[in-house]
Amino acid sequence: AQKITQTQPGMFVQEKEAVTLDCTYDTSDQSYGLFWYKQPSSGEMIFLIYQGSYDEQNATEGRYSLNFQKARKSANLVISASQLGDSAMYFCAMREAYNNNDMRFGAGTRLTVKP
Amino acid sequence: DAMVIQNPRYQVTQFGKPVTLSCSQTLNHNVMYWYQQKSSQAPKLLFHYYDKDFNNEADTPDNFQSRRPNTSFCFLDIRSPGLGDAAMYLCATSRDKGQHNEQFFGPGTRLTVL
Repeated sequence: AQKITQTQPGMFVQEKEAVTLDCTYDTSDQSYGLFWYKQPSSGEMIFLIYQGSYDEQNATEGRYSLNFQKARKSANLVISASQLGDSAMYFCAMREAYNNNDMRFGAGTRLTVKP
Repeated sequence: DAMVIQNPRYQVTQFGKPVTLSCSQTLNHNVMYWYQQKSSQAPKLLFHYYDKDFNNEADTPDNFQSRRPNTSFCFLDIRSPGLGDAAMYLCATSRDKGQHNEQFFGPGTRLTVL
């Protein structure tokens, strides 16, 4: 069963503007972690930000913030002040406390930043 | 800097010719993973080692094997590569298996099968 859903195959944003990448998830666990990774064309997966299911505040890391809405089971990534170097694939992922703890990835969103 | 290293970055093999991909880590993490990623798709977990314990995904073909001779190294062996095995192979590590443990990825090995 699909656990992580990213409904936007591709997104465009103008340089210096903010963009939101959507992610919804499905789990019956109360304890889980949500992650976002960036994958440039070089192929390496770069960890961006983490949100724990019990964290009351939304996670932030520099220009990245995670809009966590637990009741809706959504964990959207917000990138502020987009830069050309932000153009990449972005993957949302989840690890459950149980169910073997494997990290499950969404299908990804390709972000293109336009100058 | 502590990191995850994959060699080679690019590997070309012939149909049916065994190939081994290598991963090493200086992070001293307990868990090492191998993923297969095809173009524009999410990474697909093949298997992982928790210390010396091997965990195979149910749908990983028998053609794929793995070895972890010590904490630092993990190998992916493809016994008889087919054209469908051409992909990016990503190695990752995590300190432990808890839900808060992020995974650290290597740069990947892009495998071409002729």
